[in-house]
Amino acid sequence: SAVISQKPSRDICQRGTSLTIQCQVDSQVTMMFWYRQQPGQSLTLIATANQGSEATYESGFVIDKFPISRPNLTFSTLTVSNMSPEDSSIYLCSVMTARTEAFFGQGTRLTVV
Amino acid sequence: AQTVTQSQPEMSVQEAETVTLSCTYDTSENNYYLFWYKQPPSRQMILVIRQEAYKQQNATENRFSVNFQKAAKSFSLKISDSQLGDTAMYFCAFEGAQKLVFGQGTRLTINP
Repeated sequence: SAVISQKPSRDICQRGTSLTIQCQVDSQVTMMFWYRQQPGQSLTLIATANQGSEATYESGFVIDKFPISRPNLTFSTLTVSNMSPEDSSIYLCSVMTARTEAFFGQGTRLTVV
Repeated sequence: AQTVTQSQPEMSVQEAETVTLSCTYDTSENNYYLFWYKQPPSRQMILVIRQEAYKQQNATENRFSVNFQKAAKSFSLKISDSQLGDTAMYFCAFEGAQKLVFGQGTRLTINP
């Protein structure tokens, strides 16, 4: 298994500002993922973050809005840039282990006012 | 593209009863993985059970078991002897190309 520490757990931000969410894993993993979960809905993949290369974004998500860093095999950050109220969501970090099991951080509840 | 469908937005049962959550999926792949995740109000996504498509035997984890019908592309979750702590959102997920695709979720409430 993998233990993931994600922070902050929640934040209230002003529109137009940016927030960086951190994800720390207790073991080295190749693939890390960032998801968004809008209120009452399912999880939507934002991007896949691989160490040593640029993140791969899913349709509807762009690097300028959601820049991602992956400096090593245990850490990643997601920035939500130039926020608007529509960005209010839960953001989750996830990793996939060699056994093809996905583990998740506790999530960051973001409210943009 | 893979899709995952959970046709039951909400379910409610009495404590100690058995409940089955439905999930169907669509894929052209032959080798893949299927999962059920539980998300309680704490937001933490918890892996409940995992099924490898090439295995015919249904996965079981204590009170949780699945009915995997590969030809029908069906993957239901059975919770036996339900407990109050089972109250949560349950998501079915398909793994393809090392990415997870989630269903819409089923909100399960266990009543005392």
